[in-house]
Formats: sequence, C-alpha cells, structure tokens
Amino acid sequence: EVHLLESGGGLVQPGGSLRLSCAASGFTFSNYAMNWVRQAPGKGLEWVSLFTGSSGGTYYADFVKGRFTISRDNSKNTLYLQMDSLRAEDTAVYYCATAGARVSVLDYWGQGTLVTVSS
Amino acid sequence: QSVLTQPPSVSAAPGQMVTISCSGSSSNIGKNYVSWYQQLPGTAPKLLIYDNDKRPSGIPDRFSGSKSGTSATLGITGLQTGDEADYYCGTWDSSLRVVVFGGGTKLTVL
Repeated sequence: EVHLLESGGGLVQPGGSLRLSCAASGFTFSNYAMNWVRQAPGKGLEWVSLFTGSSGGTYYADFVKGRFTISRDNSKNTLYLQMDSLRAEDTAVYYCATAGARVSVLDYWGQGTLVTVSS
Repeated sequence: QSVLTQPPSVSAAPGQMVTISCSGSSSNIGKNYVSWYQQLPGTAPKLLIYDNDKRPSGIPDRFSGSKSGTSATLGITGLQTGDEADYYCGTWDSSLRVVVFGGGTKLTVL
C-alpha cells in the first residue's frame, strides 16, 4: 500500500526558512516523479513543484522560483522541499503526491503538513 | 486567478446527476490529458479520473470524465450525500511547463 508522510511544517517568521520532508513507502520510490502541492486556508489547490523520476528534471511554479528547491534522496525514499525567503502568502497545507501515468496525474497524496508564516 | 476555470459551486438532489465543467486553453487541456480530484472536508485530495475518462481502481462508475477541445467535464450520477466535496480538474500546461489546477467546485447534495 502506498503511504506518503509529510513532516517539517510549523510556524516561521517572514523571511525565514523551513525544510519539508515526504517519506514514501509501498512503492519503488526512485521510479516515480513526485509533486508538491499546497492549499492556503479556505482556498483551492496550488501546484508548487515537480521532480521527475528517471531524468531528474525539476519544475517550479513562478511564485516559488528562486525561493524553493525540490530534491529527493532515493536511498531514503524521501522527497524534500527547501523553502527560503518565506512570505505570509506561503501559509498553507503542503501536500506531497506521486505522479502516476503522467507527471500531471497525482495519484497518491499524503495527509499534508501545515506551514504558517507569521511574525 | 486559476489557469483552468471551474464553476464555484453546483448542487443537486440525492439520486440526481450533476456535471462540473473545466475550461482551459490550447496549451493545457487542448494538448494534454485531464485529471479530476475529489477533496472531502478536512481530508487530502484523491484522484478520481485520469487521462480524461479513466477511473483508478476503487472509484465507482458513477463518476465519469470527458474532454472536448479545450474543455473537460466531470459527471456524477446517483448523487449521495457522501459526494459532498470540492472537485478540482488538473492537467499539464505545455507552454508554462507547470501542472495547473482549476479553482475548484463545491458540490452540495441538497
């Protein structure tokens, strides 16, 4: 059974940094592209970043380019999101999700971790 | 402002049918497959439809998807109170090179 567990969220001041982790199990992690998606309180889904499987390519939403970095450690079956220069508008639940048939097919999701950016 | 456009809300009575539209452009829906996600209150999203009209294992055939040109549609028949949720469409945008979602549609089963 596929299981994704996010961690690392919390309260951080504007301008600060956080690193989110997503521990994966139940599938061959290295074979799959992985996404980060966020959801601000009371708002819709917002795609953040993608790390492809075999090619190792990375993609980012414009609003996080230059501030967030996605990475993965296949030996630890873990996906990361390093978030720097955080802003109040980055406050959201951050989900990791596997990419199935295509990079845009998010077939399994974790339960999310809440990031709050506030002074 | 989402790249894909969905109605903010739809409603129908139990047992009835409802459709949710998702409108995009030639660079996203026009070129790529569409997925649909269901988010029940307080839970993570779940994949409902992928590749326009395919259902993952365990998704009942009350849920269906279709695509025509730069628009896609999610259909739900035999509505149940348990279907009350937010529904999102999503796809790849070949020009922006990002995953894009619709703004979400809240389904109310009256």
